[in-house]
Amino acid sequence: NAGVTQTPKFRVLKTGQSMTLLCAQDMNHEYMYWYRQDPGMGLRLIHYSVGEGTTAKGEVPDGYNVSRLKKQNFLLGLESAAPSQTSVYFCASSWRPGNMNTEAFFGQGTRLTVV
Amino acid sequence: ELKVEQNPLFLSMQEGKNYTIYCNYSTTSDRLYWYRQDPGKSLESLFVLLSNGAVKQEGRLMASLDTKARLSTLHITAAVHDLSATYFCAVDSDMRFGAGTRLTVKP
Repeated sequence: NAGVTQTPKFRVLKTGQSMTLLCAQDMNHEYMYWYRQDPGMGLRLIHYSVGEGTTAKGEVPDGYNVSRLKKQNFLLGLESAAPSQTSVYFCASSWRPGNMNTEAFFGQGTRLTVV
Repeated sequence: ELKVEQNPLFLSMQEGKNYTIYCNYSTTSDRLYWYRQDPGKSLESLFVLLSNGAVKQEGRLMASLDTKARLSTLHITAAVHDLSATYFCAVDSDMRFGAGTRLTVKP
């Protein structure tokens, strides 16, 4: 049972380059989330999705775009990477809040460095 | 805008001692989550609290929720070294996180 899988696990980008992070879940969850984690700042929500074809902005959406074309996948794009986007990125998924089991399941993280 | 505050941010305690971590949030919410993160690892769910007065316990950890006070607590009983980790609370359906409490349990 794979759960939540993030690709890639590590990446180094040059300033101005673009890339896409892929998150895939096999639990049929409706909700999916992208977070970034920086030292001393906990997890900050970038974007989230409440279902296939929907996306919404979180706390720190600037510089990122997302897409949810398929229920099981949630893509995070950086169009023009900046050093400030150096961080560890986590994807998560959960059932919709009406379901009792609404805890989120997290991927293993992607460590991104922008030089 | 929803704000989630945890305190303390750092906690060093001796084995066998008790302590409480606090999570305050700024707007009405009826669900709160506690997660644990080991260094360099992902997050794992500890508790889901879905109503006022909810209390859940697992081993040496007990979590409670007071929605009227907008406060959740994570109580540690007789700490052991294996509990050393960072603990996060998260609130609401879009999972807004606190900054985390880094717990170190010393012998």
